[in-house]
Amino acid sequence: QITLKESGPTLVKPTQTLTLTCTFSGFSLNSSVMGVGWIRQPPGKALEWLALIYWNDDKRYSPSLKSRLTITKDTSKNQVVLTMTNMDPVDTATYFCAHNGGSYWGAREIYFDYWGQGTLVTVSS
Amino acid sequence: DIQMTQSPSSLSTSVGDRITITCRASQSISSYLNWYQQKPGKAPKLLIYAASSLQSGVPSRFSGSGSTSGTDFTLTISSLQPEDFATYYCQQSYSAPPTFGQGTRVDIK
Repeated sequence: QITLKESGPTLVKPTQTLTLTCTFSGFSLNSSVMGVGWIRQPPGKALEWLALIYWNDDKRYSPSLKSRLTITKDTSKNQVVLTMTNMDPVDTATYFCAHNGGSYWGAREIYFDYWGQGTLVTVSS
Repeated sequence: DIQMTQSPSSLSTSVGDRITITCRASQSISSYLNWYQQKPGKAPKLLIYAASSLQSGVPSRFSGSGSTSGTDFTLTISSLQPEDFATYYCQQSYSAPPTFGQGTRVDIK
């Protein structure tokens, strides 16, 4: 059974760096084709894909946020970490991590079949 | 980025109704289209991947299809159940970055 859970601060100040951790079970990021992504959703708005990391440490980022995002993995802890720099109130959102149910990026099979519960991050001074 | 436009934005309907939600891509995306259901305060749930493949465990009243143009897709619920009232999102993975539609809210008439 695959499960994921996000953790991190619920409140950050503008200009600060956000660090979110996704702790998962039921699969290994050492296994071929495995990937974990991050998606966010501002209150009352649509979903926005942020980043994805694969078993081979290939990392993909949203072009509009690439300069602010870093995604890493710790396979020994079954964790994926997302950092976002220079936080702004418009970054207020629920942040989800999710398991990529498709295959590798090049195959264009990017869909998320297991999701964490999400964590609401508010950016405010 | 490929823009995904869903219609309608909202839909008031009744239990037992057959409903169709449309998702249009700004360019051809072949069959790289996925559908999710989201209930308030919950994470999205994958319903359909690759335009028409039903995710394991999803009831067969949900179905997806796409046009030969690769730009128009539909999600159909054949007989709406009380637990189906939710917001539905499409998502393309043909071209980076993956992008989502703005959502279609399905509520009770």
